[in-house]
Amino acid sequence: GQNIDQPTEMTATEGAIVQINCTYQTSGFNGLFWYQQHAGEAPTFLSYNVLDGLEEKGRFSSFLSRSKGYSYLLLKELQMKDSASYLCAVFNNAGNMLTFGGGTRLMVKP
Amino acid sequence: GAVVSQHPSRVICKSGTSVKIECRSLDFQATTMFWYRQFPKQSLMLMATSNEGSKATYEQGVEKDKFLINHASLTLSTLTVTSAHPEDSSFYICSARSEQGTEQYFGPGTRLTVT
Repeated sequence: GQNIDQPTEMTATEGAIVQINCTYQTSGFNGLFWYQQHAGEAPTFLSYNVLDGLEEKGRFSSFLSRSKGYSYLLLKELQMKDSASYLCAVFNNAGNMLTFGGGTRLMVKP
Repeated sequence: GAVVSQHPSRVICKSGTSVKIECRSLDFQATTMFWYRQFPKQSLMLMATSNEGSKATYEQGVEKDKFLINHASLTLSTLTVTSAHPEDSSFYICSARSEQGTEQYFGPGTRLTVT
């Protein structure tokens, strides 16, 4: 089976940097996605990592280490609108599907 | 980017009735569509995977006779919640993936309330 862990909640200050970690155990790993989800809305795509290393996209960066089964999402220059849930999802080749972690609810405070 | 629509966005129905939710890929052919359910403050739980022209594959614990899924074309999948009960009230989200792609594109979701 698959096991994906991420913290349930985090709080950070506007303008700061926050790192959201995700660890996973899976067979047939074929990529890791990060999604942002505001309350009552569908998830929106943030990043996709399939090779080790850091992918940077504006204020958001995502890192993957396949040997450690570990990823993180880094959010810089936090804004109030970044308050949302961040979902880590692993794509499994065997099942040909995404499995989501429980999500991390981020609260950005002034 | 690819666009997926869902209809309706919100629906309220009485207990015992059936509700159909449509999921459409607007600018690409979706060989695979996924149906998720999300309860408040919880993550997405995959209900079923459907491939165009074949029967859906349901996750453990999801009743296939209660949640009917049809994926009759490359741009449309439907989820019918039959004999709905208040505990079926939830946020239902579909996603679609093309044959060549890995990324899933999510619809905007449907909020179902059963009274």
